[in-house]
Amino acid sequence: AQSVTQLGSHVSVSEGALVLLRCNYSSSVPPYLFWYVQYPNQGLQLLLKYTSAATLVKGINGFEAEFKKSETSFHLTKPSAHMSDAAEYFCAVSRNSGNTPLVFGKGTRLSVIA
Amino acid sequence: GAVVSQHPSWVICKSGTSVKIECRSLDFQATTMFWYRQFPKQSLMLMATSNEGSKATYEQGVEKDKFLINHASLTLSTLTVTSAHPEDSSFYICSAREDRSSYNSPLHFGNGTRLTVT
Repeated sequence: AQSVTQLGSHVSVSEGALVLLRCNYSSSVPPYLFWYVQYPNQGLQLLLKYTSAATLVKGINGFEAEFKKSETSFHLTKPSAHMSDAAEYFCAVSRNSGNTPLVFGKGTRLSVIA
Repeated sequence: GAVVSQHPSWVICKSGTSVKIECRSLDFQATTMFWYRQFPKQSLMLMATSNEGSKATYEQGVEKDKFLINHASLTLSTLTVTSAHPEDSSFYICSAREDRSSYNSPLHFGNGTRLTVT
């Protein structure tokens, strides 16, 4: 079964610094991977998705992620953190057939220090 | 873009009462909707898959008699927490994927419902 593991429950960076949030997947078949962001007491907003079209995926708010099959990773990055990026970030994977739900990682809380 | 509307955004109820949460796809049809539950500072756990015109599919460990799901139309699914108890207090989030989209399309999420049982 597909699953994702997010390394680091909490990441803290300075404003303007590089953001790196880690996600590794486990899948017996090529996965479809997603990154979502959640602000307090709100639902989830899609940042970006990987669906095998390109290994480097650009998303909203300056975020991007690179799919690395050799490392089974899909890490999320942003060159320069902004205070408004402080939120909870979830990596998720879906099965490659059928209208099925997403399986989420445990999430990484990003703090941005002024 | 596709919008999922969830109502209410928060609710406080007394122990023993029932609470209904609505999830609507505003501009698309969704034969299938998914209900998640999120405890504080934790991830989303899938509770059940709601299917229009048929019974919901519940995940292991989720009490189907406590969490009643009704998918009344192609744009509406409801979750009723029956005889609520304090341990049911949580954040409930619904999600859906457009019927006409491919299975690798992302899910669209409602803004969640914060349930507090006193």
